[in-house]
This record gives sequence, C-alpha cells and structure tokens, in this order.
Amino acid sequence: EAAVTQSPRNKVTVTGGNVTLSCRQTNSHNYMYWYRQDTGHGLRLIHYSYGAGNLQIGDVPDGYKATRTTQEDFFLLLELASPSQTSLYFCASSGTGGSQNTLYFGAGTRLSVL
Amino acid sequence: GQQVQQSPASLVLQEGENAELQCNFSSTATQLQWFYQSPGGSLVSLLSNPSGTKHTGRLTSTTVTKERRSSLHISSSQTTDSGTYLCAINTGKLTFGDGTVLTVKP
Repeated sequence: EAAVTQSPRNKVTVTGGNVTLSCRQTNSHNYMYWYRQDTGHGLRLIHYSYGAGNLQIGDVPDGYKATRTTQEDFFLLLELASPSQTSLYFCASSGTGGSQNTLYFGAGTRLSVL
Repeated sequence: GQQVQQSPASLVLQEGENAELQCNFSSTATQLQWFYQSPGGSLVSLLSNPSGTKHTGRLTSTTVTKERRSSLHISSSQTTDSGTYLCAINTGKLTFGDGTVLTVKP
C-alpha cells in the first residue's frame, strides 16, 4: 500500500501568517497533488506536479505556491494566509497521470486561519 | 458549470438495504473513479471504471461513457459503509464531485 504522509495534521495561524504544509510519499510515484476540501464540496485541485522541479497549476491556485523539491517531497506554501484558506488539505500521489492510475491520499491537514 | 455532479446529496438507509449513487459528468473523461471518505476524513480509492461494469465485493459500478454517467451500487449496506462517496473524472487531472453522504442505520 502506498504511503503518503502529511504534516502537520493540524495548524492554526493568523491572517497574514506564513504557512507551509508538507507531504512526503515513499513509493517512487511521479505525480503528486494538493487538494483542498471545504464543507459541502468535493476536493478541489490547487497544484500538482509530475516530477521534481515540476509544477502545474490546478483549478484553485490563487493564494498558494507549491514546490516539488524531490520526487518524494511536495510542499504547499501560503505566504499571506487569509481566513478563506481555512480548509482541510489533502496531498495525494500516483504512479502516472494516465487514466489507469490510482490516487493514494494522505491523512489530511486541517488548517485554521484566524 | 460544474463538471461532475453527484446525486443524491445525502442518503439514509437501514442496514441491509441497497444503495444506488449517481455521477454525471460534463466533460469527456478518460477515466472515472469512485472514492470513499470515512467520517474521520480519510480517503481511499474504491473503483476505477472508465466504461462498462465492474464489481468488487459488495460494490458494483456501471459507467456509460457515451451518456456521461456512472453509478455505484452498494448491496446489503452495513453501518460501516457510512461516509461520503466521491466520484472523480480524469481529464488530464482528477476533478471531483461534491459527494453523496451515506448514513446506514442499524
């Protein structure tokens, strides 16, 4: 079973604060994704990457930066956090971006911006 | 408009009843996947089903690609099936619906 580890699991910050969410996968997957999930909504894609140094823009990228430092590590950065970014964040990985791949999700990070 | 629409938004069943969840999508999708999210929030992939019918355990998914719809049938529901069921299409990246919240009562 693929392992995707997110940290921290919970984070509280203030408006204007600087937050970094971390994600590590240990299964040599090429693709990694950051999603946010809000009450009553499915998951919305923020950014994704298909390899170290690569970054692709998702559907809701405003206010977020991301960086893929290695094949294993994908970071989501909120440089000026706002209350609208209070959400549950999921990281996921998959072997390829093709149609037969399965996504493996981390346990999620709950972020509150006060 | 929303690319993936799921219905019903919520469903309450008695244990042992069957559930039928629907997913309609507006884009040409190369893949369709069903996910389960537990009440605690964890997410797991249930089925990948681009077309036709697939079974796994008590789950059956039927996707009619030409009509841009898929269904997930859960037979003999159990209380442990309670949670949110998400449908996602792959158009180069996965796009999720808002989910169906299933509650199975003992």
